[in-house]
This record gives sequence, C-alpha cells and structure tokens, in this order.
Amino acid sequence: DADVTQTPRNRITKTGKRIMLECSQTKGHDRMYWYRQDPGLGLRLIYYSFDVKDINKGEISDGYSVSRQAQAKFSLSLESAIPNQTALYFCAVIRQGANTEAFFGQGTRLTVV
Amino acid sequence: GESVGLHLPTLSVQEGDNSIINCAYSNSASDYFIWYKQESGKGPQFIIDIRSNMDKRQGQRVTVLLNKTVKHLSLQIAATQPGDSAVYFCAENISGGTSYGKLTFGQGTILTVHP
Repeated sequence: DADVTQTPRNRITKTGKRIMLECSQTKGHDRMYWYRQDPGLGLRLIYYSFDVKDINKGEISDGYSVSRQAQAKFSLSLESAIPNQTALYFCAVIRQGANTEAFFGQGTRLTVV
Repeated sequence: GESVGLHLPTLSVQEGDNSIINCAYSNSASDYFIWYKQESGKGPQFIIDIRSNMDKRQGQRVTVLLNKTVKHLSLQIAATQPGDSAVYFCAENISGGTSYGKLTFGQGTILTVHP
C-alpha cells in the first residue's frame, strides 16, 4: 500500500468546472503539501498545511483552495478550472527532524479543456 | 494546451562514472536542503538532506555539498548506474520566520546514464 495516495490519477475536465483532488497518507505525519509540476518549471508550491485546519499559501495559490479536515487528508480544489491549470499535481507528506521522511504521491494528471 | 518540450539542464554520463548535479538556491535564509529524484511517471523520491550548519553529508553512493557563501548545493553520485537516470531536484526550506516550512523546489536537472 502506498504511503501517500492521490485520487484521481488522471482527470479531464471542462473549463469552468469545479474539481477536487484528494490526498491521503498513512504515515501519520503532520505536514502536507500540494505542488504543481509543469515542464521546465520544476515543482511549484500551491498550498501547505502543518496540522488539521492549518492552511498556508504557497507560491501559486490563486485559483486554488485546500481543505485539511483530518490529519491524514489534504484536498486541493479548483473552483472554476481553466486550461492553464492543466498540469501534473503532487501531494507530499513530510516529517522534518533528525531523520527526515519525505514522501510524494504518484501524481494526478489534470487536463482542462 | 499542449505542453512544450522540457528545457531543464541535462547531464549525460557513462555507467560507472561519477555524476555531479548542481543547484543554486535563492534564499539566503534557507537553512535546510533536500535532494529528490523523480523517475518518469512517478512522484519525487527523497534522496538526502542537509542542514545549513553542515558543509557535507554522505549517504549510500550519494554526497551532498553545501556552500552557503555562494548559495550553491551539489549532489554527487558515485559509480552512476542506468537506474540513476531521472530528473533531480533540489529543494530549500526555512525553519523559522514567516516562510517557515515552505519547501521550495529548484528547476531540476535531467540525468541520463548510458550503459
């Protein structure tokens, strides 16, 4: 079983539709992150959370929202999807300390047409 | 729309050679750094980390060097293998202040290992 699970893995949606990407973890770590990956631009941070109901904006939060209602789940929403939100989205779970653990999900490929 | 081609830096090496992947980070307040490996179709995978109070840290076949003076980080892979072929990202983090925990990634480098 994966430590970090993202659903769906692939999604095609129409412009203007609302879509939610889910992330769940079995590691029990507090820190969860949502990143967006575009070719040539690496990973850009959208939102991150250190605890239930804790929400922090990343570099590119406009057009996105998140929810952290439980320690194991961190969801990302696009309220009204637009084509330039077509990208690969990754959820990450990180525990920093003497022995850092960092896990990424397999990614969600989102296409907005 | 259709994605354009990748414009990441590339490094090609022969199997068995040592590889050095470089990263320039942007924030002088960053005090924690991580290297990730991303294979095609997969999420990034943690390789090694280093804190700003260190200049060097070694793992299995990998070594990370940190030069805070010039804000430069490098990942050295010894005896590179075809399975090391991937995109490598450095990430920087700040442990305090308003940007606490805001893990920021660099652009990435494509490593190709030829048998």
